[in-house]
Formats: sequence, structure tokens, C-alpha cells
Amino acid sequence: QKEVEQDPGPLSVPEGAIVSLNCTYSNSAFQYFMWYRQYSRKGPELLMYTYSSGNKEDGRFTAQVDKSSKYISLFIRDSQPSDSATYLCAMKEGSQGNLIFGKGTKLSVKP
Amino acid sequence: NAGVTQTPKFRILKIGQSMTLQCTQDMNHNYMYWYRQDPGMGLKLIYYSVGAGITDKGEVPNGYNVSRSTTEDFPLRLELAAPSQTSVYFCASKGTPETQYFGPGTRLLVL
Repeated sequence: QKEVEQDPGPLSVPEGAIVSLNCTYSNSAFQYFMWYRQYSRKGPELLMYTYSSGNKEDGRFTAQVDKSSKYISLFIRDSQPSDSATYLCAMKEGSQGNLIFGKGTKLSVKP
Repeated sequence: NAGVTQTPKFRILKIGQSMTLQCTQDMNHNYMYWYRQDPGMGLKLIYYSVGAGITDKGEVPNGYNVSRSTTEDFPLRLELAAPSQTSVYFCASKGTPETQYFGPGTRLLVL
């Protein structure tokens, strides 16, 4: 079983839809959870960062961590064509550890 | 403030050739990373550095070498290029809290 599993998609939704992106993981020691957004032919950029469990909201984006189920989610409300990108989850054990990335989910929001 | 810069943007190498991928950051970050990204495979850590003079292997270090003589620069050396090294290479540096800033990437094709 891989450490981090992420459905690669592609996922296509109409503009205005609510998008749910998910990752599962096997290492119960992971404490830091991130979502990166990567536009085509660009480097990833940090979108959301969560330490331990719970929810975090930033504008149209909500990150959710369920450590009991080893499951993290990113919700995008009122999705826009500009949200079309690949979304990568990433996680690590402690502050000194290295990030483990999911394979990324490619999202397309159609006008 | 340019962030993380990488050169070249694109390069074609013949099998057996060598090259150095350049990476520079102007944020005075101690931690720097080299990743490779293959289609549908997420980001794999090649090497990382926790400060000038200190480097360590990541998940996929074979065929690569690094050095870190200054805080700003973290070059990646490919010796005896092989087709398996065809990939997109990203350099990143880590700020706080746990945010990695990525460069624009170098696309490498080995023929």
C-alpha cells in the first residue's frame, strides 16, 4: 500500500459546482497536511496548510483532516474556470521530515 | 524578490552527457529540495539540503549529485544522462510554517 493515495482524475465539473478532492494515507504519524495547486507547465504553489485534525477555511477553499480515518479533503465552493489545475495533497510526520506527495488530481472547470 | 529561480527552462541531452540544473532562492531559506515529476506520478524527492554544506538523499537519488556551498544556490548535477531521467525537475525552498516555494521547473529530455 502506497503511503499517500490520490485519485488522478481527470475531474470535470461545470462552473459554480462544489468540488471535492480527496487523499488517503497509511502513516498514522503524519501531522502536517497540505494542498498544492499546480497550473499547467508551472511549479506547485501552496493552497492550504493544516496541522493535525480539523477544518480550515480560506475563501472558497476548505481543507478537512480526519486522522481517525486517515483521510483528507479539499472542498472548492463556487468553482471557477481559473480553478482548473492539478491539485496535489502532501503530508509529513514532523517539522524535520520531508513531504510525501500524492500523484495529483487534474481538475477542469467548464464555463 | 524573485523567489526560486531555475535554469535552464528546457534542455535536450544525449545519452551519456552530463549537465547541471541551476537553482537559486533569494528568501534566505535554509531548507532546499530537488524533486522530479513524471506524468501522473506526483513529486519524488531526489536530494535535499538543510543548510550550506549539508545535503542528504531523498527517495530517488541514483544518477544525481548535489552541492550546497551557499544559502542561495542548490545545483543538481546529472552524470551520464539516461532516458529514465527524462522528467520535469523542480527546485523548492522551505519557509514557515512548512511552506515550500517551488521554482518554475526545468524540462529535460534525454535521447
